[in-house]
Amino acid sequence: GDSVTQMEGPVTLSEEAFLTINCTYTATGYPSLFWYVQYPGEGLQLLLKATKADDKGSNKGFEATYRKETTSFHLEKGSVQVSDSAVYFCALSDRAGFQKLVFGTGTRLLVSP
Amino acid sequence: NAGVTQTPKFQVLKTGQSMTLQCAQDMNHNSMYWYRQDPGMGLRLIYYSASEGTTDKGEVPNGYNVSRLNKREFSLRLESAAPSQTSVYFCASSDGTGVTLAEEQFFGPGTRLTVL
Repeated sequence: GDSVTQMEGPVTLSEEAFLTINCTYTATGYPSLFWYVQYPGEGLQLLLKATKADDKGSNKGFEATYRKETTSFHLEKGSVQVSDSAVYFCALSDRAGFQKLVFGTGTRLLVSP
Repeated sequence: NAGVTQTPKFQVLKTGQSMTLQCAQDMNHNSMYWYRQDPGMGLRLIYYSASEGTTDKGEVPNGYNVSRLNKREFSLRLESAAPSQTSVYFCASSDGTGVTLAEEQFFGPGTRLTVL
């Protein structure tokens, strides 16, 4: 079945550092790809998404590019802030049917001043 | 516009007790979902309702039942709670019309359940 693999956390960075969180996927179809973010004590919220190869999703300074050849959707940000500390989930939805999401295990990001 | 609301926020049960988690959305969404979140395992789909009047099993449905009471409300019931059901439970909703590719799901704040 479909699956998503994320890098283990936590990722610990200083403010203004460059962030990369790796995400690779396995899917039988041609999925849509997402990054969701969960701030402490809250539910998940959509950060960005991409629907086809070479699409770049972007939001709040975060970017991720849909790479079909490497089945990857890595999340990047050029300069992180303390307020970016959260858990980040990579996910896919298979276009073949009802749009259920398959999530990765999540990567916790801790940014210190 | 409250989005997705869940009650209760916290609950402690003893093994064998039953309870119902409530979820409501005010976005006129067709589709609703129940997930559980466990450390190191991400979110796993328990049940979903693609539209009012339909429900289907997700990845981990054993020990749970659901009711799509109307378009707004989708409840999750634990008939006989077990310690393995200790988790954080999230309800979510999405438009569900199939018009938009890569639909966003909107999540509630979660219910933290402990089964002793």
